Amino acid sequence: QSVLTQPPSVSAAPGQKVTISCSGSSSNIGKNSVSWYQQLPGAAPKLLIYDNDKRPSGIPDRFSGAKSGTSATLGITGLQTGDEADYYCATWDSSLPIEVIFGGGTKLTVL
Amino acid sequence: EVQLVESGGGLVQPGGSLRLSCAASGFTFTNYWMSWVRQAPGKGLEWVANIKGDGSARYYVDSVKGRFTISRDNAENSLCLQMNSLRAEDTAAYYCARGINRYYDLWGRGTLVTVSS
Repeated sequence: QSVLTQPPSVSAAPGQKVTISCSGSSSNIGKNSVSWYQQLPGAAPKLLIYDNDKRPSGIPDRFSGAKSGTSATLGITGLQTGDEADYYCATWDSSLPIEVIFGGGTKLTVL
Repeated sequence: EVQLVESGGGLVQPGGSLRLSCAASGFTFTNYWMSWVRQAPGKGLEWVANIKGDGSARYYVDSVKGRFTISRDNAENSLCLQMNSLRAEDTAAYYCARGINRYYDLWGRGTLVTVSS
């Protein structure tokens, strides 16, 4: 059970928008930056968002990140079937002797 | 090409040892912290260990302390994870990842470790 809470699954139709939440606390998200990763079936994770809201080169602007207080959100617009994947949030916790903590992951289904 | 390629996974009995390697290419290896992140079958991601660019600092998750050792050879642009006293709960895909300010911008494809009798 991760200290970062994500919904196990979300779904939406192609072309629609979806948001994935990541809830933490004052010792992790409340004071540290959040990153988001996409893991396509059978593949390695891929960085989507870093420093709460920045996109690496090559990541389309359909993907966005935001942070407010002790929660963070990943937004995906113009959903495509190729977006079906597991999505993980990550940060670090000042009270834990762990480099990085990951959320439990959210399975996105594009109906 | 900028990439990380892991190797060394396989089937090992409980209590056994395995050495994972990660070959880095296309970037200045010494400039980066490097990490191992694992994923048990059907489960989420778990950070395992990391090492500073010059090898002067290393950190581990509590569950592997005293059993796993992370190391790097900057002359060969390689990262290793020596895993001893393996347990069933160490069964996972192990990913090599490049770290920047506690996020990972480059990942390998992973290597599967199965601990079973």
